[in-house]
Amino acid sequence: DSGVTQTPKHLITATGQRVTLRCSPRSGDLSVYWYQQSLDQGLQFLIQYYNGEERAKGNILERFSAQQFPDLHSELNLSSLELGDSALYFCASSVGGDRQLYEQYFGPGTRLTVT
Amino acid sequence: DAKTTQPNSMESNEEEPVHLPCNHSTISGTDYIHWYRQLPSQGPEYVIHGLTSNVNNRMASLAIAEDRKSSTLILHRATLRDAAVYYCILLRAGNNRKLIWGLGTSLAVNP
Repeated sequence: DSGVTQTPKHLITATGQRVTLRCSPRSGDLSVYWYQQSLDQGLQFLIQYYNGEERAKGNILERFSAQQFPDLHSELNLSSLELGDSALYFCASSVGGDRQLYEQYFGPGTRLTVT
Repeated sequence: DAKTTQPNSMESNEEEPVHLPCNHSTISGTDYIHWYRQLPSQGPEYVIHGLTSNVNNRMASLAIAEDRKSSTLILHRATLRDAAVYYCILLRAGNNRKLIWGLGTSLAVNP
């Protein structure tokens, strides 16, 4: 158990809909990262927040947005969903903001299926 | 972040050492070499990372070539629990729109 929790575990929704994925980092960790893993693309970095502020941006679509709240939990919002958004979404956390310096602890993931 | 190249799959026997290679010929001076592994149906798990010098921890050792264009993750005595996909990635500060971990090396461990 990494200490990172993600809800829900599974999500099934229709195209065009909007969903929110939630992540609680390990106690004491200030950074939260979001990743998307699909069979054909591998694990792709989406975005990082550190202590409530956006720290680094990866290949995140404009239809996706995220935020980190004062209690450090984070939410990833996916809107206007397409079939291609079906994937595993992982959240990770680390103690510091410089991602190259710190190990990341990953949650169990949320499996999103868009039908 | 620069690209890394790893073999698609490798096989080892239980209790034998395993050397997992990673090529990163376009590495820059500020790139840190990170290794993670992913067991079936789980999120990735941190293994080890380093910049220039070889590193050891309770899980593995990381050997970094002098020119830093390649590295090797060493599992000293493979166990069945080490069967996983191993990812070698390069991380630096700042934005990166194209950081994709790739498909890694799938390690099978034979009893």
